[in-house]
Amino acid sequence: AQKITQTQPGMFVQEKEAVTLDCTYDTSDQSYGLFWYKQPSSGEMIFLIYQGSYDEQNATEGRYSLNFQKARKSANLVISASQLGDSAMYFCAMSILNFGNEKLTFGTGTRLTIIP
Amino acid sequence: DSGVTQTPKHLITATGQRVTLRCSPRSGDLSVYWYQQSLDQGLQFLIQYYNGEERAKGNILERFSAQQFPDLHSELNLSSLELGDSALYFCASSTSSSGTNTDTQYFGPGTRLTVL
Repeated sequence: AQKITQTQPGMFVQEKEAVTLDCTYDTSDQSYGLFWYKQPSSGEMIFLIYQGSYDEQNATEGRYSLNFQKARKSANLVISASQLGDSAMYFCAMSILNFGNEKLTFGTGTRLTIIP
Repeated sequence: DSGVTQTPKHLITATGQRVTLRCSPRSGDLSVYWYQQSLDQGLQFLIQYYNGEERAKGNILERFSAQQFPDLHSELNLSSLELGDSALYFCASSTSSSGTNTDTQYFGPGTRLTVL
């Protein structure tokens, strides 16, 4: 079974600062994907970034980067130059590359608040 | 906009009733997933359909059922509703293509169900 742990229930960060949201995962599978989603107060789930277990480079998407440390089983999200619009819940999730096991397993989320 | 549509956006009903939630996946996506987000359970996978066939089942109650139609839209039926079924129900879709990486799931805006 897969498990995602997000240990930071809430974080407050000054606007324009960088922020790191922690995520650790547990799986015995070798082929898997790690995802980060953003959920603003309006409720929708917005895909941010993806990292495959075989990808050697850390994923980057604009201001988002994923700090992937396979040996530590961690997949932290780094947001550079934070903006007020970054205030939201952030979920780390994983899925397995295995027929019938593609479901996402989510962590409990981190509520990020950007302070002006 | 993820390209995944869900209707209705809000649904208010009474205990014991039955409701149907509808989802249209992104163009070209063959897999549809249903997730439930509640305060006490977090984000939980319910069920996955791939090209009309059930592919994986998660923590879905027997009172709940789903199907995927030939045009690939999906419906989630919830019956004998209880207060505890109040939640945000998401549909997500992905291509589920074979390959070396897991597919990104794109989420619809969700249906907020309130059972009174």
